[in-house]
Amino acid sequence: DAMVIQNPRYQVTQFGKPVTLSCSQTLNHNVMYWYQQKSSQAPKLLFHYYDKDFNNEADTPDNFQSRRPNTSFCFLDIRSPGLGDAAMYLCATSRDTLVLGYEQYFGPGTRLTVT
Amino acid sequence: EDQVTQSPEALRLQEGESSSLNCSYTVSGLRGLFWYRQDPGKGPEFLFTLYSAGEEKEKERLKATLTKKESFLHITAPKPEDSATYLCAVQAVTLAGNTPLVFGKGTRLSVIA
Repeated sequence: DAMVIQNPRYQVTQFGKPVTLSCSQTLNHNVMYWYQQKSSQAPKLLFHYYDKDFNNEADTPDNFQSRRPNTSFCFLDIRSPGLGDAAMYLCATSRDTLVLGYEQYFGPGTRLTVT
Repeated sequence: EDQVTQSPEALRLQEGESSSLNCSYTVSGLRGLFWYRQDPGKGPEFLFTLYSAGEEKEKERLKATLTKKESFLHITAPKPEDSATYLCAVQAVTLAGNTPLVFGKGTRLSVIA
């Protein structure tokens, strides 16, 4: 089945220790997104790639970076995690939404714990 | 500014007790309205896309409807397995091209057997 895959599902890191979360997709969608979701809150968009074009949300901290080496893979790098970065990180994909709004398909998420 | 407000925040139903969840939105132009289901500790699962007022979509016990200001998710004869948080999101029409979804905070539904 075509899907969005995230690894690892659970990640524990130490305060200030860099961490990378990964996402892959078999849907062949050209748009990929990274969201942060904290308990009982709506997903908060961090950034998205439209093909290779990177789009950063204005309030995304510089501590968060992303890479998309090809259509299928996207990575989220947190350079110096703080306690406030503990959250669920969701990857999503969609088709081109320039004309019509297409739904986003989400992965299962990576639960990040910062100790 | 585009906004999405969902009500109620939490809803507790007896099995078989039908009800509706509300999603009110303010957007300059609607490109699409989306409903998702999210189980604890999992990513949101896509349910429906609605594009224009008057549109309706159904899937099993769920039916989504859309007006110019709000959307409803009707749940008919719910079962305990329908317990989840239901998220509503809108995508606005802008000149900027690809625009992000604006999510509501969700309605947490509990269905008791």
